[in-house]
Amino acid sequence: DAKTTQPPSMDCAEGRAANLPCNHSTISGNEYVYWYRQIHSQGPQYIIHGLKNNETNEMASLIITEDRKSSTLILPHATLRDTAVYYCIVRVGSSGYALNFGKGTSLLVTP
Amino acid sequence: NAGVTQTPKFRILKIGQSMTLQCTQDMNHNYMYWYRQDPGMGLKLIYYSVGAGITDKGEVPNGYNVSRSTTEDFPLRLELAAPSQTSVYFCASSYSAGINEQFFGPGTRLTVL
Repeated sequence: DAKTTQPPSMDCAEGRAANLPCNHSTISGNEYVYWYRQIHSQGPQYIIHGLKNNETNEMASLIITEDRKSSTLILPHATLRDTAVYYCIVRVGSSGYALNFGKGTSLLVTP
Repeated sequence: NAGVTQTPKFRILKIGQSMTLQCTQDMNHNYMYWYRQDPGMGLKLIYYSVGAGITDKGEVPNGYNVSRSTTEDFPLRLELAAPSQTSVYFCASSYSAGINEQFFGPGTRLTVL
């Protein structure tokens, strides 16, 4: 699986968009980008994933650059409940069984 | 659906004691996983199972054992607990090993003194 680089921490004001970057410059053509988050003391929660097109669901949007070397998770209207550690994970869709969690980005949403 | 449930939520063990962490899922998922998370770190895979009767080691299997007699249950056994096993343990399941999301349980916080 490709290595990912994320900033260790970010702040965001409540109601504003939170844009969380992830660098995955060694990504292969068959590797997907996944985002999970972990709210304090809880199990990780799936957010979204994509291959090369931008994706949107009820939780977030995922923007993947054309060369696929980086991506951005967007929480359009952050709330206090979005305070969590966000993990960007790159893996081949059809092989391997573990999700390789790094240290992620600790997002603090402030009032 | 209850999703993935884990028991107990908390446990304190003495060095050398044994225990079983229970994990049950009601989503009829074939794939199940055990991860551990040490303070300030990401999750590391201990064991996984691709179906009843089939298990395999992950990244950090030493000191643990698993079994998978049913689709629903995937218990994790700690023999001879050591302080290095103090961690939060998460069980997860997924429909397949592919692009499907993994669903996580609430975790078991284990302290070995």
